[in-house]
Amino acid sequence: QKEVEQNSGPLSVPEGAIASLNCTYSDRGSQSFFWYRQYSGKSPELIMFIYSNGDKEDGRFTAQLNKASQYVSLLIRDSQPSDSATYLCAVPNQGGKLIFGQGTELSVKP
Amino acid sequence: SQTIHQWPATLVQPVGSPLSLECTVEGTSNPNLYWYRQAAGRGLQLLFYSVGIGQISSEVPQNLSASRPQDRQFILSSKKLLLSDSGFYLCAWSLWGQYEQCFGPGTRLTVT
Repeated sequence: QKEVEQNSGPLSVPEGAIASLNCTYSDRGSQSFFWYRQYSGKSPELIMFIYSNGDKEDGRFTAQLNKASQYVSLLIRDSQPSDSATYLCAVPNQGGKLIFGQGTELSVKP
Repeated sequence: SQTIHQWPATLVQPVGSPLSLECTVEGTSNPNLYWYRQAAGRGLQLLFYSVGIGQISSEVPQNLSASRPQDRQFILSSKKLLLSDSGFYLCAWSLWGQYEQCFGPGTRLTVT
């Protein structure tokens, strides 16, 4: 059974700092990874996905994959209070399903 | 573009009452459809998924059931609700053969 682990937090960073969120996965064969953002009371929204061919940058967000240590990170540069949310990591499972981590709560303080 | 709808947005039901939550997707054909539940402060638990009309797979044993009467319609039901059924119910869809899932706005269910 594949597992995805995240530190539940909360992770608190000051406005303008870099927020670093980590996710570890159990299946060494995992090839792709998804990051979702979930604001309190709202549904998750996909913000980034990364495949096994390297890091990926999209605006202030960077996803980094470390296959040797089996973790994927999401870096948020110039963190804003509007980035305060829970961030969910997910990896594919058979049959088109995703396995989600429990999520890391991020709080960006003004 | 594709959109996903869920209703109702919120629901308060007494223990032992029936439940019917509906999810519809627009702008795509033959999507994979998923029902998740999220308890307060917890992660996402996959309840059911469907790859086509009438094809439902259950992930966890429970008193809930799902049906897919039309290609883009997914329904979550219960004959008798339990207190433990309270939570945030999310419907999601993905294109066939792809893992990227998009979520609907969710239904917040409180069983009293």
